[in-house]
Amino acid sequence: EAQVTQNPRYLITVTGKKLTVTCSQNMNHEYMSWYRQDPGLGLRQIYYSMNVEVTDKGDVPEGYKVSRKEKRNFPLILESPSPNQTSLYFCASSPYRSRLDTEAFFGQGTRLTVV
Amino acid sequence: QKEVEQNSGPLSVPEGAIASLNCTYSDRGSQSFFWYRQYSGKSPELIMFIYSNGDKEDGRFTAQLNKASQYVSLLIRDSQPSDSATYLCAVRGLPGAGSYQLTFGKGTKLSVIP
Repeated sequence: EAQVTQNPRYLITVTGKKLTVTCSQNMNHEYMSWYRQDPGLGLRQIYYSMNVEVTDKGDVPEGYKVSRKEKRNFPLILESPSPNQTSLYFCASSPYRSRLDTEAFFGQGTRLTVV
Repeated sequence: QKEVEQNSGPLSVPEGAIASLNCTYSDRGSQSFFWYRQYSGKSPELIMFIYSNGDKEDGRFTAQLNKASQYVSLLIRDSQPSDSATYLCAVRGLPGAGSYQLTFGKGTKLSVIP
């Protein structure tokens, strides 16, 4: 089954304690991205990657890191989480090609609370 | 900065009626247009995409695109209570640095009243 898998689904942590949210896709997609979703602000892109070892900032990258060492994995790293990073996070993947109908497949989401 | 605008709602329609959801976008280079449905606390799921001017129909859903007006809409016919969700409009450019980003509107919350 084609899917994007995020872990963990729920996480409560304390300010300053480094954490990693994993994301893996089994569709051989080149393009992967991370979003955060907050009430009234919608989905905002944090980082994206167009292929292995190619990453770039989205609209709200501050306080986050990513890496893309393998095509299937795109972990999101919070080196020193703060309460304003409490949010619902989604990983998504897409084929990266000239076709116009390539949709983004989303993971199940990770609800992060930083206290 | 690309912008995608949607009315936040809530949009309330009676069961069986047509729900009309609207979206405008700022980047004239946008090429692909998507409608996602999102239930509370769940991930977005694609329901329609369109990239040519005009209408595209899929079951009870019709997407409409007018690139000259930078306007895209979604019509839901015979609305059902199970259609109650937030509908996200998203736009994307062609593959290329910076333009392939999927930019979302903030979503319109639809409530279908039995």
